[in-house]
Amino acid sequence: GIQVEQSPPDLILQEGANSTLRCNFSDSVNNLQWFHQNPWGQLINLFYIPSGTKQNGRLSATTVATERYSLLYISSSQTTDSGVYFCAVPNAGGTSYGKLTFGQGTILTVHP
Amino acid sequence: DGGITQSPKYLFRKEGQNVTLSCEQNLNHDAMYWYRQDPGQGLRLIYYSQIVNDFQKGDIAEGYSVSREKKESFPLTVTSAQKNPTAFYLCASSISTGDEQYFGPGTRLTVT
Repeated sequence: GIQVEQSPPDLILQEGANSTLRCNFSDSVNNLQWFHQNPWGQLINLFYIPSGTKQNGRLSATTVATERYSLLYISSSQTTDSGVYFCAVPNAGGTSYGKLTFGQGTILTVHP
Repeated sequence: DGGITQSPKYLFRKEGQNVTLSCEQNLNHDAMYWYRQDPGQGLRLIYYSQIVNDFQKGDIAEGYSVSREKKESFPLTVTSAQKNPTAFYLCASSISTGDEQYFGPGTRLTVT
């Protein structure tokens, strides 16, 4: 099945700093999702981005499907940005069509 | 408010007992999913359902069972056959299989 790798595994920032999280995937995908898991475990949808660039406030994401990677940018980070960031891609066909395969996540800690 | 609800938030059971986790959505989504998350890991798919009265095994279905009698509801039963049931369980739904998935708040199950 498809493999998803995220980097870095851990990231520690001072409030106000910018950061870039990376997601590599091993096969062609027709969409990709970025999530933020808050300290209570809730998965918050950040982006649904099969290709191109999207922006939402201080966050933006870019997916280059032909090169099999996606980047999540966080600018002017805040303590509330802390948590785990996951990317996930779906099976494109065959068994478990639509099933999301998750990366291992990036643990982000933002200090005041 | 539209969304996905899971209950209970925390669940404690003795080894050897079956337990059922609830998942309800009022988003009018056809597809629903159950994922399991272990500490420090990404999510893995247990079961999914593309439509009412249909469901398919995911990657780690052994020891679990589901039903999909109503569009809004997709309960998961963790049976005594599941060897390591203690985990965080997340339910998700999407308009149809392969579309953007949205997650409920999760249920933390502890079996002793």
